[in-house]
Amino acid sequence: SYELTQPPSVSVSPGQTASITCSGDKLGDKYACWYQQKPGQSPVLVIFQDTKRPSGIPERFSGSNSGNTATLTISGTQAMDEADYYCQAWDSSTDNYVFGTGTKVTVL
Amino acid sequence: QVQLVQSGAEVKKPGASVKVSCKVSGYTLTELSMHWVRQAPGRGLEWMGGFDPEDGETMYAQKFQGRVTMTEDTSTDTAYMELSSLRSEDTAVYYCTTVQDDWFDPWGQGTLVTVSS
Repeated sequence: SYELTQPPSVSVSPGQTASITCSGDKLGDKYACWYQQKPGQSPVLVIFQDTKRPSGIPERFSGSNSGNTATLTISGTQAMDEADYYCQAWDSSTDNYVFGTGTKVTVL
Repeated sequence: QVQLVQSGAEVKKPGASVKVSCKVSGYTLTELSMHWVRQAPGRGLEWMGGFDPEDGETMYAQKFQGRVTMTEDTSTDTAYMELSSLRSEDTAVYYCTTVQDDWFDPWGQGTLVTVSS
C-alpha cells in the first residue's frame, strides 16, 4: 500500500520559517494537500493541489511538491500555528486516500 | 457553504455495532461525495471509505472491508457510517468530510466512539 512519511516533530521560533516534509514514492506525480489540526478540533485544509490556499488561509502558508517530497512551508510562524499537520494524497493505483503520519509543530 | 453536523458520542461494548450520522446543510447530499476518516487517541488520520461519484459506488479501505457500511438518506441529507464487530482498537473520533477532487473539505466536528467492556 502507498505510504506517506512525515517527521514526527518540527520546532520553530516565532517569526521564523517552518518546513514540513512529506515523502512518498513519486509523490510529485500526484497532488498533495495539507491539513492543520489543533488539539480537540477537526482538521482544516490549508493547502490543496500542491500549492493552492483555500479562502481564509493566511498567505504565510505555502506548498510545493516535486520528486518524492511535498513540503508545507509556514513563513513568519506565529504561536497560533502550533498544531499537528498532515499531508494527504490520492493513490490512483488502489483508489485509496492516504494520509501522512503527521507532524507536530511547536512554536518555541 | 457546506456544513456537516455529526451525532453525539457513543459508548459500545466489544462485538457491538455503532452507527454515526452526519447531517448536511448548505448543499444537498446528492451534490457531495461524503467520506469518513477516523483518528484513534493520540494517533493520525485514517481514511475509511466514501462515495465515488464517477461510478456511483461506495469504496472502502481494505482494512474495513466487511465491517463498515456507509449509507445515505437523501430525503434528510444525512449520511451514515456503521461499523460492526467493534473492538477496543476501534475507539476513535470518527469524522465525516466531503471530497473536492482529491482533498477533504470541510469536516464534521467528529464523533467519539468508545469501545469498552
